[in-house]
Amino acid sequence: GQQVMQIPQYQHVQEGEDFTTYCNSSTTLSNIQWYKQRPGGHPVFLIQLVKSGEVKKQKRLTFQFGEAKKNSSLHITATQTTDVGTYFCAGPRNDKIIFGKGTRLHILP
Amino acid sequence: GAGVSQSPSNKVTEKGKDVELRCDPISGHTALYWYRQRLGQGLEFLIYFQGNSAPDKSGLPSDRFSAERTGESVSTLTIQRTQQEDSAVYLCASSWNFGSDHIQYFGAGTRLSVL
Repeated sequence: GQQVMQIPQYQHVQEGEDFTTYCNSSTTLSNIQWYKQRPGGHPVFLIQLVKSGEVKKQKRLTFQFGEAKKNSSLHITATQTTDVGTYFCAGPRNDKIIFGKGTRLHILP
Repeated sequence: GAGVSQSPSNKVTEKGKDVELRCDPISGHTALYWYRQRLGQGLEFLIYFQGNSAPDKSGLPSDRFSAERTGESVSTLTIQRTQQEDSAVYLCASSWNFGSDHIQYFGAGTRLSVL
């Protein structure tokens, strides 16, 4: 069945460095969503991408949806300690959402 | 309510006891999801409701797990004869499920500890 794969599983970066997480689907997605889960918290919706090749920005976060609508990336510029957490991508399958396993971001001060 | 509400926030139980976890979705959301998240792990899909019916129960780990939803609102996840491996955070999410918009709004979760 459809799977959503995320890499890397973990990432340690020095504060101020950039960070990127990648999401790949085995099938074409109608849209892709990104969520952030802070330590001890619950996942919170960040953004949804719908169009092929779409790029959206939220301050230091840049989200991309691939031309084939089978992959996506989240890039954070100049990470800050507030960026700590796990970032999940998710894509629809039938009437439900399939989540990737997430990328856990650690920031070294 | 303003958001998805889950209760209790924490539950400690003894092995072999039954537990009930409750989820109050956002008013008007037709879809409701239950996930399990073990410490440091990703989201494990358990079950999904569209209205009061459950089209997909494929994630329920065993027949000790069951869930119901009444009145297209509140849902209850029941774990019978709890085992230590059931210890986890159980997250509930709801969404509109309109067209391809499945944006999920999560509750704060119930942290279950089985001693």
